[in-house]
Amino acid sequence: DQQVKQNSPSLSVQEGRISILNCDYTNSMFDYFLWYKKYPAEGPTFLISISSIKDKNEDGRFTVFLNKSAKHLSLHIVPSQPGDSAVYFCAADYQGGSEKLVFGKGTKLTVNP
Amino acid sequence: GAVVSQHPSRVICKSGTSVKIECRSLDFQATTMFWYRQFPKQSLMLMATSNEGSKATYEQGVEKDKFLINHASLTLSTLTVTSAHPEDSSFYICSAKVGGSSNQPQHFGDGTRLSIL
Repeated sequence: DQQVKQNSPSLSVQEGRISILNCDYTNSMFDYFLWYKKYPAEGPTFLISISSIKDKNEDGRFTVFLNKSAKHLSLHIVPSQPGDSAVYFCAADYQGGSEKLVFGKGTKLTVNP
Repeated sequence: GAVVSQHPSRVICKSGTSVKIECRSLDFQATTMFWYRQFPKQSLMLMATSNEGSKATYEQGVEKDKFLINHASLTLSTLTVTSAHPEDSSFYICSAKVGGSSNQPQHFGDGTRLSIL
């Protein structure tokens, strides 16, 4: 049973436009969500996170939105740059749990010049 | 800050060999480290949680005698794949979390590509 789902395996956008990556989760216990960026043959790099007490967190070009009632979060990248091309993983955790992160399968973002 | 170093980055060896992978937190202390495995085009699958000074906690289906984990200090955890076979070929990644804090991200090493011939 996949608790964190990224239903779009790939996304292609034009440089300068907005990239929107989506993630859905099923476990209502999750209260901390993270986005990681991964290049081939490298480990994931932490991008941005959000706690369930918030519905938005912004860091530069990256904004994460959380809709708890829909069990949905999204990562917005504005403006998108070719260097943003990578696989993006959504992950979830819950306080008081075992600190284990549950990852989605990832979305490959391609930003075209 | 929060740099995690993983070594080696790539290993190619014969079937039956044991392989040790090191994971170090370079600028912070990590009471908990995690070992993941990633198959091509798949998500990261947690193998085990490594706790400093105690036995690792393995996920269901992961053979603890096959994948030996040692977390001897607050900055080092090792994963040894014993008597490796071709089906153990994969990308292994470790992560570490700043000790004693909740709602903090895990920071990942760059992974080890293991190829068993």
